Amino acid sequence: AQSVTQLDSHVSVSEGTPVLLRCNYSSSYSPSLFWYVQHPNKGLQLLLKYTSAATLVKGINGFEAEFKKSETSFHLTKPSAHMSDAAEYFCVVSRGSQGNLIFGKGTKLSVKP
Amino acid sequence: KAGVTQTPRYLIKTRGQQVTLSCSPISGHRSVSWYQQTPGQGLQFLFEYFSETQRNKGNFPGRFSGRQFSNSRSEMNVSTLELGDSALYLCASSLDGTVLNQPQHFGDGTRLSIL
Repeated sequence: AQSVTQLDSHVSVSEGTPVLLRCNYSSSYSPSLFWYVQHPNKGLQLLLKYTSAATLVKGINGFEAEFKKSETSFHLTKPSAHMSDAAEYFCVVSRGSQGNLIFGKGTKLSVKP
Repeated sequence: KAGVTQTPRYLIKTRGQQVTLSCSPISGHRSVSWYQQTPGQGLQFLFEYFSETQRNKGNFPGRFSGRQFSNSRSEMNVSTLELGDSALYLCASSLDGTVLNQPQHFGDGTRLSIL
């Protein structure tokens, strides 16, 4: 069975400082992993995806994530936070070939001026 | 290219009623999935439709149903509404629902409130 665990429900950073949102996954086979972002009263937007190509994945808005099989982790990072990054972030694993997504509980990112 | 469109954006119903939500996928996308988002349970998969057939189903009661039309538009129906059905319902479309053709593109959702 597949699952994802987001290790922090809330992360607060200052503008201009690095962002680290942590995600561990469990999968019985090579997973496809995604990070999505949700701004208030909006749907989800894909930040980046890993589908067994390069382990360091670059996404939109300066975000990137590294797939580490030995640690079963897929942490999301950004070198310098911007006020507009304040949102909820979801780590997601795809279940099988049908594309159904299993979501983590989400991490709310706050950015202080 | 227009995104995924969900209507209505907001809906208020009372217990026992039924409701139908609509989702228009991105042009050319044939897979449509529905998700329920609540503060307590997070995001949960409801079902996926592809070529007018339900291909996958999550762990929800039979009160939750859906269908897909030949133009790939999809509707979701919830009968005998309960207070716990209050949620944001998200629709997502993709080319064919396979991992290779991810990602799924999400609409902004329909917020359903049950009084």
